[in-house]
Amino acid sequence: EAGVTQSPTHLIKTRGQQATLRCSPISGHTSVYWYQQALGLGLQFLLWYDEGEERNRGNFPPRFSGRQFPNYSSELNVNALELEDSALYLCASSPAPGQGGFEAFFGQGTRLTVV
Amino acid sequence: QQQVKQSPQSLIVQKGGISIINCAYENTAFDYFPWYQQFPGKGPALLIAIRPDVSEKKEGRFTISFNKSAKQFSLHIMDSQPGDSATYFCAASKGLTGGGNKLTFGTGTQLKVEL
Repeated sequence: EAGVTQSPTHLIKTRGQQATLRCSPISGHTSVYWYQQALGLGLQFLLWYDEGEERNRGNFPPRFSGRQFPNYSSELNVNALELEDSALYLCASSPAPGQGGFEAFFGQGTRLTVV
Repeated sequence: QQQVKQSPQSLIVQKGGISIINCAYENTAFDYFPWYQQFPGKGPALLIAIRPDVSEKKEGRFTISFNKSAKQFSLHIMDSQPGDSATYFCAASKGLTGGGNKLTFGTGTQLKVEL
């Protein structure tokens, strides 16, 4: 069974540009979570999507946004990139809330570098 | 506000020794406490998890001890091996109450197991 897959593996953008990161959850999982792992700041919760809806949002500015598609894959968009957005962006998936087996499994991440 | 405090920041253990990492949480609504292992350039991998109605859980060489009254939990790695050298993160969520598995992470412990 395939795990959580993220693309691209690496992404280099210029300050002010937009970045789009993609995530495919484990088959059968409906919830997708996005986290930012910046150097020295640990893992910070960004967004949670389930059944196509945004369920929760972390303490990040509105230029961090995303969506979830009918096949449960997800996209994270970061607009007006700033140098401090450079980080490893991790996607995790888990079964639907209340469906049991709520463990979250992570992908390998997308390394975003803003220059 | 850091809701999960993790210590130590780094740890060096001799091969065959016991590695102990501690975490403390503040939010009594947390009801699910996983530990993740992360190797450089990889996403975090779920290692073991515990619920607050259990005081200890063991899986192979890995044991979680949980103290609900003190709001503390710890990871013990028995017979530590060089292959265990990685960064370990504790986390907490309200997953059992159906609120999804939005994880609040500790700051991580870099473990090095020396020969």
